[in-house]
Amino acid sequence: KQEVTQIPAALSVPEGENLVLNCSFTDSAIYNLQWFRQDPGKGLTSLLLIQSSQREQTSGRLNASLDKSSGRSTLYIAASQPGDSATYLCAGNDYKLSFGAGTTVTVRA
Amino acid sequence: DTGVSQDPRHKITKRGQNVTFRCDPISEHNRLYWYRQTLGQGPEFLTYFQNEAQLEKSRLLSDRFSAERPKGSFSTLEIQRTEQGDSAMYLCASSLPRTISGELFFGEGSRLTVL
Repeated sequence: KQEVTQIPAALSVPEGENLVLNCSFTDSAIYNLQWFRQDPGKGLTSLLLIQSSQREQTSGRLNASLDKSSGRSTLYIAASQPGDSATYLCAGNDYKLSFGAGTTVTVRA
Repeated sequence: DTGVSQDPRHKITKRGQNVTFRCDPISEHNRLYWYRQTLGQGPEFLTYFQNEAQLEKSRLLSDRFSAERPKGSFSTLEIQRTEQGDSAMYLCASSLPRTISGELFFGEGSRLTVL
């Protein structure tokens, strides 16, 4: 059974600082790994999808890396803004997604 | 394309009543998933469909829960004889086959409160 862990559980940074969010998973036989953003009371918004054959994906200020051999993924958010405040979830996909509990990020203006 | 839509967005019901949630996936997506999320936790897998076939059900899906996807289009999730422990956000997602993408897209969720 896939277990996904996200560290830290919460993070507070001043505006402009770079964010580093960590995700670890137990089963390296994932097909892909997906990062999501969730605002309070809302659904999940897909940020990045990394296929198992890839090592990283980039979208704007976001960059996610995947190391299947060590069971880790990292999401980097450059030059954080208050609008980046949300919960970030990673999920490993074998044929269904297994989620971590998320990292709640607060960016202080 | 309007994305994944879920209805209703909020449902308040009394213990013992039945509730039904509807999900309309992105039109070309043949896979549809249901997840449940409680406060402070990540979503937990409930069940998924490929076209109209229900391929897996989680042990979380007790016999009071039933999901259908007639004709491989929209899906419904019914909870019978609701209990207070059923209070949660019910999330629906859809995707193309993973041989094409496998990226899951979620709806806004249906929040259930059981009094």
